Amino acid sequence: LAKTTQPISMDSYEGQEVNITCSHNNIATNDYITWYQQFPSQGPRFIIQGYKTKVTNEVASLFIPADRKSSTLSLPRVSLSDTAVYYCLVPPGSAGNKLTFGGGTRVLVKP
Amino acid sequence: NAGVTQTPKFQVLKTGQSMTLQCAQDMNHNSMYWYRQDPGMGLRLIYYSASEGTTDKGEVPNGYNVSRLNKREFSLRLESAAPSQTSVYFCASSEGGQGPSGANVLTFGAGSRLTVL
Repeated sequence: LAKTTQPISMDSYEGQEVNITCSHNNIATNDYITWYQQFPSQGPRFIIQGYKTKVTNEVASLFIPADRKSSTLSLPRVSLSDTAVYYCLVPPGSAGNKLTFGGGTRVLVKP
Repeated sequence: NAGVTQTPKFQVLKTGQSMTLQCAQDMNHNSMYWYRQDPGMGLRLIYYSASEGTTDKGEVPNGYNVSRLNKREFSLRLESAAPSQTSVYFCASSEGGQGPSGANVLTFGAGSRLTVL
């Protein structure tokens, strides 16, 4: 199973860049990495997906090294509204669709 | 475009009562999931359905049953509610399969907050 490990929490200040790294040592060859954002009292929201190298969209960038054993979500110039929990998700390989989340990273953006 | 719709949004039960949480998606997704999230904690998979006609246990299936009624709908039933089942329940769906927009691009519902007294 491609289990994921992330830091439990991170603090930042408005305008800074936040980088969250997720370890997934057993990722399968064909699997994509996805990241989600969850605000209090809401369901998680998909924000970005990648397979290798770098992916960028209007919300974040995702950096994936050649060995794909980790990935780093980068949030540029965060604001107070970026305070949330961020989860990485990797498919479980041979376990098919049994999608289990790790504990996520709680990001607190301070003024 | 509603996405994933869950009902009810809030429910209070007494210990031993039963209830069913409903989930429907309008994205023609193959796979559907039920997660629970306890206060301050992460998401735990209860049951999932990889495709219409199939269901499988997740990490914490005890005390729950599910039904994949059709491709759109996936319900979660608590037969005899216990205080330990007090949680927020999230339904999610995905296209399934591998590759982009595949297995692990999930769309979540808004959640159903359940309190068992």
